[in-house]
Amino acid sequence: AQSVTQLDSQVPVFEEAPVELRCNYSSSVSVYLFWYVQYPNQGLQLLLKYLSGSTLVKGINGFEAEFNKSQTSFHLRKPSVHISDTAEYFCAVRYSGYSTLTFGKGTMLLVSP
Amino acid sequence: DAGVIQSPRHEVTEMGQEVTLRCKPISGHNSLFWYRQTMMRGLELLIYFNNNVPIDDSGMPEDRFSAKMPNASFSTLKIQPSEPRDSAVYFCASSLRVGGLAGGNTYEQYFGPGTRLTVT
Repeated sequence: AQSVTQLDSQVPVFEEAPVELRCNYSSSVSVYLFWYVQYPNQGLQLLLKYLSGSTLVKGINGFEAEFNKSQTSFHLRKPSVHISDTAEYFCAVRYSGYSTLTFGKGTMLLVSP
Repeated sequence: DAGVIQSPRHEVTEMGQEVTLRCKPISGHNSLFWYRQTMMRGLELLIYFNNNVPIDDSGMPEDRFSAKMPNASFSTLKIQPSEPRDSAVYFCASSLRVGGLAGGNTYEQYFGPGTRLTVT
């Protein structure tokens, strides 16, 4: 079955500290991977995507993610977070042969001064 | 460039009333998705259209929910009659799909700002 797991429902971190948000998906031959960010009272905004090629993907706002096929993971990282990064982050996977996205339950990133 | 447009942004209605949510996808996109987001269940896909045709409506909770896409630039999600458990934020998203349904590719989805529905 298709599934996406975001193990951490909340990640508290201090400003300027590094952060990693974890995402694992159920194994498949071919996947396309996405991270979305949702600020309060807004829709989801695409942060970055992996379709093919280099396994290290850079996105907006200084975020990056690495596709690890052997570990079926697509963790999101930022070396130094800002207060404005406080938001909910969703990992999503499109499995080959399917047109829809499977979303994780989201991770709330809480950045404090 | 206008993104996905949803209306209304907020809707408060009484139980038993009909509710209609509206969505205008990004021009040129040929796939449209309706989602529901709640604290308990997270983000759920309700229905997916490709070229105005419903492809997968397995996520529609029950017969009280219906969705239409009369043309490439407009879709509605209707709840009749509404119930308090329908309270949620409803998102519309659109994307571009190239190739056929069997072997084509769907690119990333672009989300609208959502409609916050409260049923009292």
